[in-house]
Amino acid sequence: DADVTQTPRNRITKTGKRIMLECSQTKGHDRMYWYRQDPGLGLRLIYYSFDVKDINKGEISDGYSVSRQAQAKFSLSLESAIPNQTALYFCATSDGPTYEQYFGPGTRLTVT
Amino acid sequence: RKEVEQDPGPFNVPEGATVAFNCTYSNSASQSFFWYRQDCRKEPKLLMSVYSSGNEDGRFTAQLNRASQYISLLIRDSKLSDSATYLCVVLIGGFKTIFGAGTRLFVKA
Repeated sequence: DADVTQTPRNRITKTGKRIMLECSQTKGHDRMYWYRQDPGLGLRLIYYSFDVKDINKGEISDGYSVSRQAQAKFSLSLESAIPNQTALYFCATSDGPTYEQYFGPGTRLTVT
Repeated sequence: RKEVEQDPGPFNVPEGATVAFNCTYSNSASQSFFWYRQDCRKEPKLLMSVYSSGNEDGRFTAQLNRASQYISLLIRDSKLSDSATYLCVVLIGGFKTIFGAGTRLFVKA
């Protein structure tokens, strides 16, 4: 079984809809991250969490919110989806001492 | 200026060739460095960490030059399966991770 899982893997939704992307991990890591990837722009950090009580905004948090329900679960919500949120979304985890990140398989989101 | 910069390529090389990628970073407080590999539409996967003394893993060699603030990745005896995008990643202050936009490599038969 994969260490980091994401659901759904693909989603098509309409403008204005609320959508939640979920991430679970079995690595026992404290740190979890949400990124989006757009062609030619690389990965950009949306939110990150260093433990259940710690949530931090990344460089592109506007229009997104997150919830860390447990050490193993970190969900990303789009309160009112817009077309420019169409992207590939990745969840990742890391832990000390080297903080190498391990990624889930991604969620391909299309907002029409 | 981007915090982490890579040549986007693409690099087109024949099988068996040696290819090198460079990456520069701007924040002198950067403390950890990594190379990731990403196949099309898949998640990035850790290729190797980069240590000050340099490190080697089979056909892959990574080097770090802190004075000049650049990281390199050398791939020897390229295989078709090496075709991918290679991401340079920098960790700053133990919590801020910056990804480069990636360098695309195509290895041809």
